Amino acid sequence: GNSVTQMEGPVTLSEEAFLTINCTYTATGYPSLFWYVQYPGEGLQLLLKATKADDKGSNKGFEATYRKETTSFHLEKGSVQVSDSAVYFCALSVEGAQKLVFGQGTRLTINP
Amino acid sequence: NAGVTQTPKFRILKIGQSMTLQCTQDMNHNYMYWYRQDPGMGLKLIYYSVGAGITDKGEVPNGYNVSRSTTEDFPLRLELAAPSQTSVYFCASSYPELRGPYEQYFGPGTRLTVT
Repeated sequence: GNSVTQMEGPVTLSEEAFLTINCTYTATGYPSLFWYVQYPGEGLQLLLKATKADDKGSNKGFEATYRKETTSFHLEKGSVQVSDSAVYFCALSVEGAQKLVFGQGTRLTINP
Repeated sequence: NAGVTQTPKFRILKIGQSMTLQCTQDMNHNYMYWYRQDPGMGLKLIYYSVGAGITDKGEVPNGYNVSRSTTEDFPLRLELAAPSQTSVYFCASSYPELRGPYEQYFGPGTRLTVT
């Protein structure tokens, strides 16, 4: 079946630190991959996406590269800010299926 | 363009009561979804709909019902509330592009407590 596994949280970093949140997946077919972010008290919003192997999604200083050989889509940011504190979800969708499969989410807290 | 709206924002129910969570989208999206998010967990799909008049079960449909009479609205009904249904509920919608990637747009959520 299709599944997404994210690194365990919570993650706490200092401002300007380097961020990596690991995400690996199992999927039939050729999935599209997403990172969603949920700020406190809000719904999820799309952060970035990649639709095929070796694609790099990027937005707001965050990046993730679709690695088919390692079935991974790790989220990175070079210098985090307090405003990046949120819960981050990795997700996939498989061609022909109208549903997303989510990881369990990783809570990120950035201290000033 | 309001996107996906949900009402109410918060609700407390007694065991055995019923209620309807409302969801409306103004983006003319065919696909709509209901998820629940339990503390420290990811999102679990309750029901989804690919168009007016068509609904299907997700991972965790027991205790819930849905209907889709219009493209815009996708209400979620809880008939006999139980403490296990305490959760945050999110509605989402998407437009079915031919090859995906099926990006979904989320509402702000309804926080439900059953006591």
